[in-house]
Amino acid sequence: DAGVIQSPRHEVTEMGQEVTLRCKPISGHNSLFWYRQTMMRGLELLIYFNNNVPIDDSGMPEDRFSAKMPNASFSTLKIQPSEPRDSAVYFCASSLTRWNEQFFGPGTRLTVL
Amino acid sequence: AQKVTQAQTEISVVEKEDVTLDCVYETRDTTYYLFWYKQPPSGELVFLIRRNSFDEQNEISGRYSWNFQKSTSSFNFTITASQVVDSAVYFCALNSGTASKLTFGTGTRLQVTL
Repeated sequence: DAGVIQSPRHEVTEMGQEVTLRCKPISGHNSLFWYRQTMMRGLELLIYFNNNVPIDDSGMPEDRFSAKMPNASFSTLKIQPSEPRDSAVYFCASSLTRWNEQFFGPGTRLTVL
Repeated sequence: AQKVTQAQTEISVVEKEDVTLDCVYETRDTTYYLFWYKQPPSGELVFLIRRNSFDEQNEISGRYSWNFQKSTSSFNFTITASQVVDSAVYFCALNSGTASKLTFGTGTRLQVTL
């Protein structure tokens, strides 16, 4: 299996622009997670889906962030409008069930100028 | 609520030394899962081990071993005969309760030098 795939790997954008991060989970995995990692806050869970349904989005910082999972093989995390404080590495992870080990994608390094 | 504490921020050892990374967790649930992940300088997060709360047997995988003790709420990770390639940040994580969220510790940065 190819593992969790994320795109783009790097994104540099200007404040106010819309940013869309993409994720393809491991085939057969029913749970998908979006995390953000910064030096200050460490690894934070933003949102997770189970069977394509958002279960817990309490970690989403504010309304500028939204996530979708239209089908079992694709998810997006959108930031609109982006701000410099959104600069971070965003990871997508998937697991067989909510209780199993999560496998992480390579991450997207986002820089908002 | 669940919490994971990794009190060691950074550890430096010389190659071939043994090193233990500490992890202490808090949860009120009786069913939970503990994990260790490795994040090398390249940045990816690599899964190392998953342990459920009903299995207190220690585990060994090559140079890696894990000691799970419910009495002290600890899940420590030992690397035997460390190598430079072991240099990374190691995260301990906990998943418990109906929330099913993975809570990470702050990580321990391990530096192995020649």
